[in-house]
Amino acid sequence: NAGVMQNPRHLVRRRGQEARLRCSPMKGHSHVYWYRQLPEEGLKFMVYLQKENIIDESGMPKERFSAEFPKEGPSILRIQQVVRGDSAAYFCASSPPSARYNEQFFGPGTRLTVL
Amino acid sequence: GDSVTQMEGPVTLSEEAFLTINCTYTATGYPSLFWYVQYPGEGLQLLLKATKADDKGSNKGFEATYRKETTSFHLEKGSVQVSDSAVYFCALNRDDKIIFGKGTRLHILP
Repeated sequence: NAGVMQNPRHLVRRRGQEARLRCSPMKGHSHVYWYRQLPEEGLKFMVYLQKENIIDESGMPKERFSAEFPKEGPSILRIQQVVRGDSAAYFCASSPPSARYNEQFFGPGTRLTVL
Repeated sequence: GDSVTQMEGPVTLSEEAFLTINCTYTATGYPSLFWYVQYPGEGLQLLLKATKADDKGSNKGFEATYRKETTSFHLEKGSVQVSDSAVYFCALNRDDKIIFGKGTRLHILP
């Protein structure tokens, strides 16, 4: 059973470009979470999605950031018009529908560098 | 709001030394508590968890006890190995999200 998969592992963008980060949850998992890790910081929650629904986006910046988890295919975190402050590691996690104690399984992360 | 505070690193120890990484939390109610480990270049792996007061989580020689009276969840290991070098995150769950401490980087010298 493959774990949570994220791609690309490393992404370089220039200021003003768009960044698209992909996450494929573990088999059988229908809940996806995105977290951001700024340098020397812990992970901060961004958004929680189920198939075709955003459940909690309380950690998402109000502008330029969006997330989706379509019926088919991976979850996408999209950052429009990137700025240097968006440089960070972005981690996706997934859990099954009946996760006890909110145990989440994390992917290897995408490290975004904005030049 | 809820938060997690853990000791700052880096922590450098010799192989076979005793390890303690302190973690305290602030939360309403009784969240579940976790320790995650991040090896270089990898994602986070759940190391251990405890779901109620006085529970002890353990895995790979690591232990942590959920102490409600001191709101703590300190990580311990009796004899560390070079392969334990990583960043360790203390965390709690709140609704649908996990709240993390800033992480403690651990270096083990041979």
